[in-house]
Amino acid sequence: DSGVTQTPKHLITATGQRVTLRCSPRSGDLSVYWYQQSLDQGLQFLIQYYNGEERAKGNILERFSAQQFPDLHSELNLSSLELGDSALYFCASRPTGDRETGELFFGEGSRLTVL
Amino acid sequence: AQSVTQLGSHVSVSEGALVLLRCNYSSSVPPYLFWYVQYPNQGLQLLLKYTSAATLVKGINGFEAEFKKSETSFHLTKPSAHMSDAAEYFCAVSLSNFGNEKLTFGTGTRLTIIP
Repeated sequence: DSGVTQTPKHLITATGQRVTLRCSPRSGDLSVYWYQQSLDQGLQFLIQYYNGEERAKGNILERFSAQQFPDLHSELNLSSLELGDSALYFCASRPTGDRETGELFFGEGSRLTVL
Repeated sequence: AQSVTQLGSHVSVSEGALVLLRCNYSSSVPPYLFWYVQYPNQGLQLLLKYTSAATLVKGINGFEAEFKKSETSFHLTKPSAHMSDAAEYFCAVSLSNFGNEKLTFGTGTRLTIIP
């Protein structure tokens, strides 16, 4: 158990719909990352938040957005869903400051299927 | 920008044989390197990491990796494969151990163990 919690674990929806994926980082971790894993693209970095602020952006589509709340949990919003958005979405958190270890701790992922 | 290349998307070894998974990195500054493992239907788990200390790094489950700057490599090895090692392995690079640097992942190597 990494300590990172993601919900839901599985989600099936239709094209054009909108979904929200939720992530609770490990206790005390201020930094949250979102990654997308698909068969054809591998693990792609989407976005990173640190203590509520966006810090880095990767290959995130304009239809996708994220935020980190004051309690440090994060949500990834995916809208106008397309078949190609079907993937496993991972959240990871990272210790910072004197707890810094350089590694990311990953949740078990949310598997999104778009039909 | 940093990147990693994993040679061989699929590797099969016999139980008890040597495991060698290859990773080469590209980085403009001294990198921090990681190997993660992903078991079926699970998130990514850190196997080991190189953060500019000893070049030979020992990780969990009997795995180790050696950082070779001259070859820009960070290959993962295990002397004797076990059935439980069957999984997907990802090499990753970060430019900084501190701050909020993201991890850039390779495309992964699926390891199959032959009984």
